[in-house]
Amino acid sequence: DGGITQSPKYLFRKEGQNVTLSCEQNLNHDAMYWYRQDPGQGLRLIYYSQIVNDFQKGDIAEGYSVSREKKESFPLTVTSAQKNPTAFYLCASIDWGVVNTEAFFGQGTRLTVV
Amino acid sequence: DAKTTQPNSMESNEEEPVHLPCNHSTISGTDYIHWYRQLPSQGPEYVIHGLTSNVNNRMASLAIAEDRKSSTLILHRATLRDAAVYYCILRDAGIGYSGAGSYQLTFGKGTKLSVIP
Repeated sequence: DGGITQSPKYLFRKEGQNVTLSCEQNLNHDAMYWYRQDPGQGLRLIYYSQIVNDFQKGDIAEGYSVSREKKESFPLTVTSAQKNPTAFYLCASIDWGVVNTEAFFGQGTRLTVV
Repeated sequence: DAKTTQPNSMESNEEEPVHLPCNHSTISGTDYIHWYRQLPSQGPEYVIHGLTSNVNNRMASLAIAEDRKSSTLILHRATLRDAAVYYCILRDAGIGYSGAGSYQLTFGKGTKLSVIP
């Protein structure tokens, strides 16, 4: 089955450590996205990538980094520079080449700083 | 980016219809209106989309105003499983047509729907 997979589902990090969240899709989508969601809030865009080896900052990119070396993978690193990293992180992908298809989301990674 | 405005929360009694509104006054001609919903602790899932005409599928109906500046997601009979946050977003189809347009997918805060048994 085609889909988008995030791992791990739960992640704990000590203050001052970098941590990388995984996002993999087998939908053959060029575009991928990372969002952050805080309790009771909507989705805020961190980074997005339109194509391999290219990505752009979203609204809240500070303290995060990404790479897009393969079409299937778009990992997000939460660096020690991110002052309040505890949140629910969501990855999505979409095929912009088809004019009316929808975005697909992973099930999320819940990051907690301890 | 074209933005959408939704009420923060709504309530409905079980088995009654629910009308969830969305305003998108700056919508462009190539923007599709998409609706997603997010159950607790899960990623959002697609519900329905439309361009100009009203749309129906097994999950919901979408009514689009004639000037396209607003739309309404209709759940015909709310169930407890419909309790979720509903997001209305604009999806630029210009990229698919011509390669030009915004690749951003912007979600707002959505509407939290509570269903009362």
